[in-house]
Amino acid sequence: QKEVEQNSGPLSVPEGAIASLNCTYSDRGSQSFFWYRQYSGKSPELIMFIYSNGDKEDGRFTAQLNKASQYVSLLIRDSQPSDSATYLCAVSQNAGGTSYGKLTFGQGTILTVHP
Amino acid sequence: GAGVSQSPSNKVTEKGKDVELRCDPISGHTALYWYRQSLGQGLEFLIYFQGNSAPDKSGLPSDRFSAERTGGSVSTLTIQRTQQEDSAVYLCASSEVPGNQPQHFGDGTRLSIL
Repeated sequence: QKEVEQNSGPLSVPEGAIASLNCTYSDRGSQSFFWYRQYSGKSPELIMFIYSNGDKEDGRFTAQLNKASQYVSLLIRDSQPSDSATYLCAVSQNAGGTSYGKLTFGQGTILTVHP
Repeated sequence: GAGVSQSPSNKVTEKGKDVELRCDPISGHTALYWYRQSLGQGLEFLIYFQGNSAPDKSGLPSDRFSAERTGGSVSTLTIQRTQQEDSAVYLCASSEVPGNQPQHFGDGTRLSIL
């Protein structure tokens, strides 16, 4: 089992729809969860982070965390063609009880928003 | 600077040569991370610096890889005797403090080994 798994893509949604991206993780001691957006040929760009169970909203983006189910998701409302990119889920895990921020990434989900 | 700066942006070299990749983190960020992104492996952790110390080097794939950080700022990743499997994009990230703080990535160095 991979440490961080994302729903297999690619995911295609029409403009204006809600895109839902999912991620599960295996380490129950994980403390912090990040979503990065990566355009083709570019580096990852941080778009959301969440530490506590529940929802966190920032503009059109909502991150949802459920530690009991070891599940984190990203919702993109009113999807735009400019949202078309690869979305990477990243988890910060404990190392021997000390967390220093090492990130473990999922394989990414390719999102395409078509007009 | 405003963001994480990496150089060179692209590097093409022959198998067996040594290469040095540079990272200049966001000013004031004490934690610095190196990652590698390749087609088959996704994004993988290589090494972490807190100040000039590297508490975790567990992601370095072989002893041909080494890294250092000086003055609590600039870091250099060195690959000796490069192999074709070293071809990848090498990404540097920094965060204000170590732990669970968001990490911000530089634009990366695309390394191609001929």
